[in-house]
Amino acid sequence: GENVEQHPSTLSVQEGDSAVIKCTYSDSASNYFPWYKQELGKRPQLIIDIRSNVGEKKDQRIAVTLNKTAKHFSLHITETQPEDSAVYFCAALPGGSYIPTFGRGTSLIVHP
Amino acid sequence: KAGVTQTPRYLIKTRGQQVTLSCSPISGHRSVSWYQQTPGQGLQFLFEYFSETQRNKGNFPGRFSGRQFSNSRSEMNVSTLELGDSALYLCATNGGGGQETQYFGPGTRLLVL
Repeated sequence: GENVEQHPSTLSVQEGDSAVIKCTYSDSASNYFPWYKQELGKRPQLIIDIRSNVGEKKDQRIAVTLNKTAKHFSLHITETQPEDSAVYFCAALPGGSYIPTFGRGTSLIVHP
Repeated sequence: KAGVTQTPRYLIKTRGQQVTLSCSPISGHRSVSWYQQTPGQGLQFLFEYFSETQRNKGNFPGRFSGRQFSNSRSEMNVSTLELGDSALYLCATNGGGGQETQYFGPGTRLLVL
């Protein structure tokens, strides 16, 4: 089955800095890679996703990149703000599956 | 549309007891998945139900079971509770038809004493 590794487990940055979270996956059949944000005491919510036929996708201050050859994908947050503080989960789905395999999460702390 | 709802939101049980958690999906969503979330372990997949049938299953012992009703509402049951079952249990629903996004409920926080 799919295995997703996520690093780092904790990331502390100053407001305005950039933050990068990296994930690797094992199943070359995976073709959909979502990222979820879970604020303290709240449910995980999708913030951005990318499909295997795309190398990069941006949405305002967040972007995701995918390297299919190396089987890794990354979340980039620019100009971080305190409200970006949360746990971020990456995930990978093989084609035709609706069950994502999640990474263990990254706790992002943005200091004002 | 109303979001995914879960009841109860909090539960305290003792070892050996059993517990039933409920999840109501977004209207029209027929797939319901359950996850266990613990610190450091992330989101671990328990099982998925679709049209009242278990379609996928994770690596959890048989003490963890579930079912789905004709209105797509789902329940999960944990029998003979252990201290290690203390966790946040999240359900997530999916609209199918090529829509991969999982919509999560608020979770049920279970504490086993």
